[in-house]
Amino acid sequence: DTAVSQTPKYLVTQMGNDKSIKCEQNLGHDTMYWYKQDSKKFLKIMFSYNNKELIINETVPNRFSPKSPDKAHLNLHINSLELGDSAVYFCASRPGQGAFDNEQFFGPGTRLTVL
Amino acid sequence: LAKTTQPISMDSYEGQEVNITCSHNNIATNDYITWYQQFPSQGPRFIIQGYKTKVTNEVASLFIPADRKSSTLSLPRVSLSDTAVYYCLVGDGRDGGSQGNLIFGKGTKLSVKP
Repeated sequence: DTAVSQTPKYLVTQMGNDKSIKCEQNLGHDTMYWYKQDSKKFLKIMFSYNNKELIINETVPNRFSPKSPDKAHLNLHINSLELGDSAVYFCASRPGQGAFDNEQFFGPGTRLTVL
Repeated sequence: LAKTTQPISMDSYEGQEVNITCSHNNIATNDYITWYQQFPSQGPRFIIQGYKTKVTNEVASLFIPADRKSSTLSLPRVSLSDTAVYYCLVGDGRDGGSQGNLIFGKGTKLSVKP
């Protein structure tokens, strides 16, 4: 009965590879996010989707491409992985856009290590 | 974007009350104040949110003075399991709104000792 789940939990890969991280939420929420937490523990938003539509696309390399097949899923595909992409990636969801409610539900994170 | 400033770290002992203060001098009229908790190797978890005065839930209390330029998260009788990083954020909660959707700073690393 996990609310927000991510797979895989750990991902180790070589530079230049392409990889995907999957996220699913069973909360019925309309809005989903991807965050990146670097080695210095800064947690920064990357993308936001509302009902399968891209709402926010922060300044991230275009090697990162989110895909939302339905409002319960938001996957993150990364092309040509670089060393600097090593981080923990968190998926999150929220009931709706426009509400004065800052409660987001975060997944357990995916630790990506690029060698 | 309203910037927040909070202590980098705090130490406490079990059973004590812990108060973590956050400064947000540029808070906008529509901004709410939200606190999150993050344990190692886990995603952040929502603790409490408020607009003004005092908010209390089963986990914590949030005190917000009239000018709203600061806020204080109060954790009553902490235990070892409260050791975590605590983030203070301000924003209006709308995607694309003033807070740019939850900008997390470095937070306050709370260490609770026996």
